Amino acid sequence: KAGVTQTPRYLIKTRGQQVTLSCSPISGHRSVSWYQQTPGQGLQFLFEYFSETQRNKGNFPGRFSGRQFSNSRSEMNVSTLELGDSALYLCASSLTRGSYNEQFFGPGTRLTVL
Amino acid sequence: QKEVEQNSGPLSVPEGAIASLNCTYSDRVSQSFFWYRQYSGKSPELIMSIYSNGDKEDGRFTAQLNKASQYVSLLIRDSQPSDSATYLCAVKLGGADGLTFGKGTHLIIQP
Repeated sequence: KAGVTQTPRYLIKTRGQQVTLSCSPISGHRSVSWYQQTPGQGLQFLFEYFSETQRNKGNFPGRFSGRQFSNSRSEMNVSTLELGDSALYLCASSLTRGSYNEQFFGPGTRLTVL
Repeated sequence: QKEVEQNSGPLSVPEGAIASLNCTYSDRVSQSFFWYRQYSGKSPELIMSIYSNGDKEDGRFTAQLNKASQYVSLLIRDSQPSDSATYLCAVKLGGADGLTFGKGTHLIIQP
């Protein structure tokens, strides 16, 4: 069974631009969560999507948004990029929602903001 | 503030020995606990999940959970150089959105 895929793998943008990242979950998985990983803050939860609806959101500004499509694929968007947005963005998929669902991570998208 | 804490290390263990990784969490109502392994430059890989008090074994890995002490650990038996990585503890804290991760413990297995 194929794992979680993310595109693109690497991205370089300049301040003020916007970016869209894509995630395809494991086949059959309906929940997609997004995380940001930086050396200083570690892994931090951004948001979770299930059945095309945002179910939970972490403590990030409104510049960070996302959506989920009917085939469970998800995109996240960051507008008006700041230098501090440079990070590894990870998508994780799970079968469904709830506390007892294991999350499996994709390879991530490395975003560099210049 | 609800959080998950781990010793950042590095934790150096000789090859063949048992590596013991520890994690404490702040919320008594937490229900699910996960250990991830992350190699440098790679994404986290799920190793173990544990939901009930006690031990859960999978091959060379054993996860231990003590909810009364708000403590979860990971034991790696017969440590191999390929086990050298950062190990992340993740907790579904009560009322929190998403998983809350510790900063990770850097484990080095010395040949």
